[in-house]
Amino acid sequence: KQEVTQIPAALSVPEGENLVLNCSFTDSAIYNLQWFRQDPGKGLTSLLLIQSSQREQTSGRLNASLDKSSGRSTLYIAASQPGDSATYLCAVANAGNMLTFGGGTRLMVKP
Amino acid sequence: DGGITQSPKYLFRKEGQNVTLSCEQNLNHDAMYWYRQDPGQGLRLIYYSQIVNDFQKGDIAEGYSVSREKKESFPLTVTSAQKNPTAFYLCASSVQPGNTQYFGPGTRLTVL
Repeated sequence: KQEVTQIPAALSVPEGENLVLNCSFTDSAIYNLQWFRQDPGKGLTSLLLIQSSQREQTSGRLNASLDKSSGRSTLYIAASQPGDSATYLCAVANAGNMLTFGGGTRLMVKP
Repeated sequence: DGGITQSPKYLFRKEGQNVTLSCEQNLNHDAMYWYRQDPGQGLRLIYYSQIVNDFQKGDIAEGYSVSREKKESFPLTVTSAQKNPTAFYLCASSVQPGNTQYFGPGTRLTVL
């Protein structure tokens, strides 16, 4: 059974810092990997989707990489801002296209 | 406006009662999903539907039931058989299974 782990569980950084969030998964036979953002008490917003054949995806200040063979993905956030404060969730889709989520990383960017 | 709506935003239930959570989408998506989120944890799949009149159990389907009579609607019933129903419930949809999932704002269910 696929297991997804996100480290760290919580992270606090000063504004302007570049940061990396980590996601690891146990079964490398994935269909795709998604990164989501969740604000407190709200639904999820999709940030980036990486297909299994891709190595990375970029959107603005966000860059997500995928190393399927080692079961790892990273989300890089450049020049962090207080508005980036949220919980970031990683999810992998298996061959049946169902998502397995990690526990999330709660990010706080301090002004 | 296109999107996914969930109602109500907050729901309180007495022990032993069944309650139904609403999920509606006007995105013309084939696939719809229900997830449960407990505090500080990721999401777990309850049920999903790839097409009208069809649905499949997810990882934690016990104590829940769904229907998919219309493409735009996928209601979730939390039955009295669900022993620990207090949680945040999220509905999602995608064009097809495997495509990006779009999430609703969620319903917070509390059992009194």
